[in-house]
Amino acid sequence: GQSLEQPSEVTAVEGAIVQINCTYQTSGFYGLSWYQQHDGGAPTFLSYNALDGLEETGRFSSFLSRSDSYGYLLLQELQMKDSASYFCTNQAGTALIFGKGTTLSVSS
Amino acid sequence: ETGVTQTPRHLVMGMTNKKSLKCEQHLGHNAMYWYKQSAKKPLELMFVYNFKEQTENNSVPSRFSPECPNSSHLFLHLHTLQPEDSALYLCASSQETGTGGDEQFFGPGTRLTVL
Repeated sequence: GQSLEQPSEVTAVEGAIVQINCTYQTSGFYGLSWYQQHDGGAPTFLSYNALDGLEETGRFSSFLSRSDSYGYLLLQELQMKDSASYFCTNQAGTALIFGKGTTLSVSS
Repeated sequence: ETGVTQTPRHLVMGMTNKKSLKCEQHLGHNAMYWYKQSAKKPLELMFVYNFKEQTENNSVPSRFSPECPNSSHLFLHLHTLQPEDSALYLCASSQETGTGGDEQFFGPGTRLTVL
């Protein structure tokens, strides 16, 4: 079967660094993507890792280790606006499989 | 604005009603998707269309019927729904399918309530 596991909730304060982990079990693997969804909003694409290593995009970085079936999203210099749900996803054939999402709450 | 629009944004319907959800993308993409998002559950893929052809039906009940007349428009026809079908229905598009990191662009969703 296909599954992606990530923590359900993470809390942090402004300015901090937080890491959201994702472990996956999929029959086909095309890389790990991350999406952000604010409450009441649509998911928006953040990053994609096809190969092992770290991808950096501004305050956000994403890491992949295919041998460990593991990846993470790293958010630095947290801001209140980063409070949202974060989903790791994997492409399986023509479909995107989503994890259950991690709700990040940033406080001042 | 993601370039993907959905109407209506909110819909309340009875179990015997028939209604349709509409999605339109202005991005020139070739693939379109319907997802269901229920509270406390991950996004569930329902249908995938690539170049107007359905390539994925994720064991969706027949009371949900998709239609893709062209690469820019996608419909989800609803009939005799159940209260447990109440959810946020999201449409998305991408350049094409099955290419790994192909970014999907989501519409704002239709919040459906079945009474």
